[in-house]
Amino acid sequence: GQNIDQPTEMTATEGAIVQINCTYQTSGFNGLFWYQQHAGEAPTFLSYNVLDGLEEKGRFSSFLSRSKGYSYLLLKELQMKDSASYLCAVRDKRGNQGGKLIFGQGTELSVKP
Amino acid sequence: EPEVTQTPSHQVTQMGQEVILRCVPISNHLYFYWYRQILGQKVEFLVSFYNNEISEKSEIFDDQFSVERPDGSNFTLKIRSTKLEDSAMYFCASSDPGVNTEAFFGQGTRLTVV
Repeated sequence: GQNIDQPTEMTATEGAIVQINCTYQTSGFNGLFWYQQHAGEAPTFLSYNVLDGLEEKGRFSSFLSRSKGYSYLLLKELQMKDSASYLCAVRDKRGNQGGKLIFGQGTELSVKP
Repeated sequence: EPEVTQTPSHQVTQMGQEVILRCVPISNHLYFYWYRQILGQKVEFLVSFYNNEISEKSEIFDDQFSVERPDGSNFTLKIRSTKLEDSAMYFCASSDPGVNTEAFFGQGTRLTVV
């Protein structure tokens, strides 16, 4: 089966660092994506990992361990506008292109002053 | 910056009616997708489309659903006879061919079946 788990909600303070974890069990794997989704809006791409290790993009970093079926998204220097839902998604293995995304439930992050 | 556009942004329809949701993917992308998100639930894959045919579909995508690329720019999702449980946000997405490419999502169509 396909299963992607992430915490339902988290709260953090403006200026702090927060780590959102994601574990997955999928029949295929061709990359793990993190998306940000504000209420009522489309998911927007944040980061992508296909190999083990850390990918850094400004205030956002994402880590992947394929052997553990584990990823995390690290957000630094939190801002109020970072309050949103963070979606972990695994791309199904369909050769090297065009695979569907399997999404987790999303983690609702609230940033407090 | 190129973007995926969807119309309409909101659609209210009566149960049993047909609806067509429209999408214009990013122009040089070759893979097209429809996802849906029922309020408060996760984003779910419906169908992927490549080279003018469906490449994969989920269990949700039954005979009531169909997709079409009627011309070089539009990509549509048709629901033939809507049910109350079809009420959701429907997202169109497109992606480049290649390994390290993400899917770009449109702003969504909120479908309400009454």
